[in-house]
Amino acid sequence: QSVLTQPPSVSGAPGHRVTISCTGSSSNIGAGHDVHWYQQLPGTAPKLLIYVNTNRPSGVPDRFSASKSGTSASLAIAGLQAEDEADYYCQSYDSSLNDVVFGGGTKLTVL
Amino acid sequence: EVQLVQSGTEVKKPGESLKISCKGSGYRFSSYWIGWVRQMPGKGLEWMGIIYPGDSDTRYSPSFQGQVTISADNSVSTAYLQWGSLKASDTAIYYCARLTSGSHSPQEYWGRGTLVTVSS
Repeated sequence: QSVLTQPPSVSGAPGHRVTISCTGSSSNIGAGHDVHWYQQLPGTAPKLLIYVNTNRPSGVPDRFSASKSGTSASLAIAGLQAEDEADYYCQSYDSSLNDVVFGGGTKLTVL
Repeated sequence: EVQLVQSGTEVKKPGESLKISCKGSGYRFSSYWIGWVRQMPGKGLEWMGIIYPGDSDTRYSPSFQGQVTISADNSVSTAYLQWGSLKASDTAIYYCARLTSGSHSPQEYWGRGTLVTVSS
């Protein structure tokens, strides 16, 4: 059971918008620790998608956005495309565990 | 161009030892933290630990402390992950990744992963 909780799966039709939640606690997200998001396409290594809560690395389309509030964070993907079908992971630091933690991952299916 | 090139697939028996590698290029290897991440078959990502090659400062996730050893050799710009006695439960893909800056910073560059299979 992951310290950061994500829904196992989400789905959406092409062109639509989906959001993926990442729920933590007062020792990680709620403590002010940064949240990062990764995209893992099938059979490939993870890729940094969002860093420090809301920032996109160069080359990541602005269809991807993220936010953080209280003990939770969320990733939004607008204008869904077939190529967005992947697993998405949130990551933060947990002060109580003294450990970097990942969410359990969310599989996005583009219908 | 920053690249992390990992060593190839390994097939081992329980009880055997193993050391896999991650060679960095395109940047000053000694100046960035390198982390290791495990992904068991069909499962999510797990943080194992990090090393700062510049001074060999190494930090382990409590879940992996004592189970693996992380090291680095600046002379060949390579980080390592090793096991003294493998178990079947060590079967996984292991990724190395370069952090952007500090020890809690995100992993900006990733290797392609090393598949380790432990089976009798």
